[in-house]
Order: sequence, then C-alpha cells, then structure tokens
Amino acid sequence: NAGVTQTPKFRILKIGQSMTLQCAQDMNHNYMYWYRQDPGMGLKLIYYSVGAGITDKGEVPNGYNVSRSTTEDFPLRLELAAPSQTSVYFCASSRGLAGTTYNEQFFGPGTRLTVL
Amino acid sequence: GQQVMQIPQYQHVQEGEDFTTYCNSSTTLSNIQWYKQRPGGHPVFLIQLVKSGEVKKQKRLTFQFGEAKKNSSLHITATQTTDVGTYFCAGLSSSGTYKYIFGTGTRLKVLA
Repeated sequence: NAGVTQTPKFRILKIGQSMTLQCAQDMNHNYMYWYRQDPGMGLKLIYYSVGAGITDKGEVPNGYNVSRSTTEDFPLRLELAAPSQTSVYFCASSRGLAGTTYNEQFFGPGTRLTVL
Repeated sequence: GQQVMQIPQYQHVQEGEDFTTYCNSSTTLSNIQWYKQRPGGHPVFLIQLVKSGEVKKQKRLTFQFGEAKKNSSLHITATQTTDVGTYFCAGLSSSGTYKYIFGTGTRLKVLA
C-alpha cells in the first residue's frame, strides 16, 4: 500500500492563479481531511469528507473548495491564490467512525505552496 | 468555536531528563489523539484516548486523559535524541461532529 499520496510536493503560484492539490489514498478509508500548517504553527482543518459525495467545512475553508467523487481521491482547489495561502498542506485519511478505535489519521507527505 | 491549547510551546531538555506537554480543550471531548511530527515531516499517530481518566503507556511515553475529558497530557521519561519533534494533541468534540481540532503543539529539543 502506498498509503496517502499528495502531488505536487512543491509549488509556487502567482497571486490570482488557481491550482488543484491532489490527494489519494489506497486504504479504502471513508474519512479524508485537508489541513494547512503555517510555519511553526499547528494544523488547521480546511475541509473534510466522511464519504464519497459528502464534504463539509472545517475551521478555515475560505478560499478553498473540495470534491469527493470517489472513495480514493479528495482534491483541494484554490481558485484565486493569495499570499495568505502560503503554507504546507497535508491530506489525511482515517478508516472508521468518530469515537471508535479505528479513526487514526494517516497523513500524506504534504505539499509546500508559496504564493508570490 | 472549539479551541485546543497546548503548553509549553517549546521545551529544551538535556538527554535523560523527563518531558511533559499539556493539552487543554475549551469544550468536552469525545476522544483525543496524539501525534508526533519530526522536523520537515508529516504528523504520525501515536495514540488515541477515549475514556475519562484513561492512562496508556508506550515504552517511555505515558498518556493521560482527564476525568472531565477536557485535558490531556503526554509524559516522556528519560528523553532521547530520537524524541526530537513537535507533539500535537487533536481533540474530537463530543457535540457530534467529525472534526478533529489540533492543538498548537509543543516543540521538543533534546540536547545530547
């Protein structure tokens, strides 16, 4: 199993450009998450999904969009990039229902995004 | 909204000393998870605590969940250089959402 994969690893965007961060998992997990981590800070939840076709906002959803058409993939879309979106983006997935012992989150290696 | 704070923000210890980080939530939690992130890496799951007052051990690491399920701690006995990294707690609100809110993290440096 590859686990959680993310592409690209690094990206530099100009202000106003758009891009999609890709995330895929091969563990048949129901839950998937997008976090951002600013330098020296904790992780902030952007969006999450509890299954294909179901998404919901996290703590910091403004400026982002997501879709979940399959169990495996959970892309994150930035429509009009701004310098405030410079961050490291982590995708994560977990297997089971909240409150059970099965919702350990597996993280991808991250995408380092700079907006100039 | 739900907030999760961790203290201290930074901790430098001599190798062999003990280390503790504390996690406090503004709301009652359904469960709490702990993660470790090495410099330049991604968070890696350590443990999940579910029951009030629960204590779990993993070798030199001891994890506790408070009686009121609003706080938690991670204690490392006799730190080693391999313990270097940032330790995060992540709390799941008992209000029925599926969102984990991560704490601010404690960055640990171990001096050999």
